[in-house]
Amino acid sequence: GQQLNQSPQSMFIQEGEDVSMNCTSSSIFNTWLWYKQDPGEGPVLLIALYKAGELTSNGRLTAQFGITRKDSFLNISASIPSDVGIYFCAGQLADGGSQGNLIFGKGTKLSVKP
Amino acid sequence: NAGVMQNPRHLVRRRGQEARLRCSPMKGHSHVYWYRQLPEEGLKFMVYLQKENIIDESGMPKERFSAEFPKEGPSILRIQQVVRGDSAAYFCASSPGQGLHGYTFGSGTRLTVV
Repeated sequence: GQQLNQSPQSMFIQEGEDVSMNCTSSSIFNTWLWYKQDPGEGPVLLIALYKAGELTSNGRLTAQFGITRKDSFLNISASIPSDVGIYFCAGQLADGGSQGNLIFGKGTKLSVKP
Repeated sequence: NAGVMQNPRHLVRRRGQEARLRCSPMKGHSHVYWYRQLPEEGLKFMVYLQKENIIDESGMPKERFSAEFPKEGPSILRIQQVVRGDSAAYFCASSPGQGLHGYTFGSGTRLTVV
């Protein structure tokens, strides 16, 4: 099946640090979404991107839809303890699949540096 | 303004039993999507339904799994003769129409097969 390669798999953050994660694919997407999932909960939408090259911010979060339509990144600036959790990229294929059929990456787990 | 409601939150079944998972979409939403999440994995699309219609079941296993979204009442994901490999978190999302606008996830049902 279609795959999204999300990296890094996990990272440790110290309060105040900037964080970066990305997703790549060999397929073309017409939408990229970034979600955060807390333990025992469903994913919550952070940012949605609908056009190649689009750069969108939501508070301390910034995400971009890659110009090739095969990748996206998410940056978190000046991280705080409540940023801990699992972040997922998700996309809707440009070719094939019904609307609403999202493909998810495997997630990036953010933890606090010991 | 209730979000997407899933119940039960936790479900334990013995091998061979049936599991029925319920999803009530947000008010005004007539499109429902089911996803499965294995531990340490992203969500995998299973099925997309509108009232009384299955739109896309490309992610549903061919046997033992079925889904419905009747004219009245919640959407039901039914797993017959459960096996240990069915243990996972099952998430439902709903949207008001086709596409990703307003696409919202529930908190999931965690199925454990013993």
